[in-house]
This record gives sequence, structure tokens and C-alpha cells, in this order.
Amino acid sequence: AQTIHQWPVAEIKAVGSPLSLGCTIKGKSSPNLYWYWQATGGTLQQLFYSITVGQVESVVQLNLSASRPKDDQFILSTEKLLLSHSGFYLCAWSLDLVEQYFGPGTRLTVL
Amino acid sequence: AQSVTQPDARVTVSEGASLQLRCKYSYSGTPYLFWYVQYPRQGLQLLLKYYSGDPVVQGVNGFEAEFIKSNSSFHLRKASVHWSDSAVYFCAVSSSNTNKVVFGTGTRLQVLP
Repeated sequence: AQTIHQWPVAEIKAVGSPLSLGCTIKGKSSPNLYWYWQATGGTLQQLFYSITVGQVESVVQLNLSASRPKDDQFILSTEKLLLSHSGFYLCAWSLDLVEQYFGPGTRLTVL
Repeated sequence: AQSVTQPDARVTVSEGASLQLRCKYSYSGTPYLFWYVQYPRQGLQLLLKYYSGDPVVQGVNGFEAEFIKSNSSFHLRKASVHWSDSAVYFCAVSSSNTNKVVFGTGTRLQVLP
């Protein structure tokens, strides 16, 4: 069975500090991978997606970047956090470009 | 451009009552439609999906939704809600030729015991 793991579970970071969030998919080969951001109490905003290793497409950047160093790994990062980066970050995978399965999320608080 | 409207930010019903959560979408092509549920501090879980065929689709835990093309709607229904159905419900739209998914703003459902 496929599993999706996100790390860390939660982060508290200072404005201007760097950030790296990770997502790993096990049990699926060559999945499409996605990053979403959700403001507290808000809707989901798709940030990035990746169809294959080394290839990442930006939907909305929000001063963030993403990379896919391995088939089963998707990384979201920034060198300088902003207050507006606070929220809930969700990773998702799909095989058919449509139906997506979400990870448990990482809650980020920027102070 | 794709868009999804969930006009009700909050819905409160009593346990055992029927439920309808509204969703209207805007999409120029053939849409793929989804309902997801999010429990507190968790990721999203897929409830049901519509690609084509029978416009009434069945999902998990007794949920169903009906695709009405003429009305651009995909409302979620349940005949009898349980207190454990309390959560936030998101409607979403996509298509087969894009990796972009657009979510609605969500409807927070509170089921009173």
C-alpha cells in the first residue's frame, strides 16, 4: 500500500530564516507530486507540481521554491521566511493527473 | 479560468438530519469534480469524484453528489449525518489535461448531537 509522509509535523521559525519541508511517497512508482499551502481557516492554494524527477512547475510561487531530487521525494524550501508563509503545507500525489491523495501536512508558524 | 464557489462558509445541522453542501464551478472544458473532507489538523481525504457517466456518484460514509451540467453544480448530499461528520468540506475542479486543481473556499460543517 502506498504511504505519504511529510516532515516535520510542525515548525516554528523566525522571519528571515530558511525553511525546508519534505514529502516522501512510498509504494508508488513515478507519481505526480504537488505542494499546496493553506492559510489558517482558508482554502488550498496549489504551489508546485512535478511529473518527473528534476522537473518542477510553478503554479504560484509565494517566494518559495520546490525540488524533486528523487522519484519519491518532493522538497519545498525558501532562504528567507516571511510572516505570510505561516500556514499549513500539504503534499499530494496522483498517478492519473487528476485524483490526488494528500499527506498529513506540516504546520508552519513564522514569528 | 477554473473557479469553484462554495457559498456557505458554515453549515450547522442536527445529528440524523439530511445535508446538502453546495458547490458551483466554472470551467470551459469537461471538468473533473471532487469533494474532499478535512478533519482538524489533518490532510484532505477524498470523499468522491466525478469524471463522466452517471451524474450521481456515491462516495464513502454515505455521501453522494450530483453533477448538474446545466447548472454547473456538484452539490454534496447525505441522508443522515452523524456527529463525526463535523469537518471542513472542499469542492475541487480539475481536468484530464492539466495538473492544476482549483479548490473552493470550503464549508465548515458542524453536526449537533
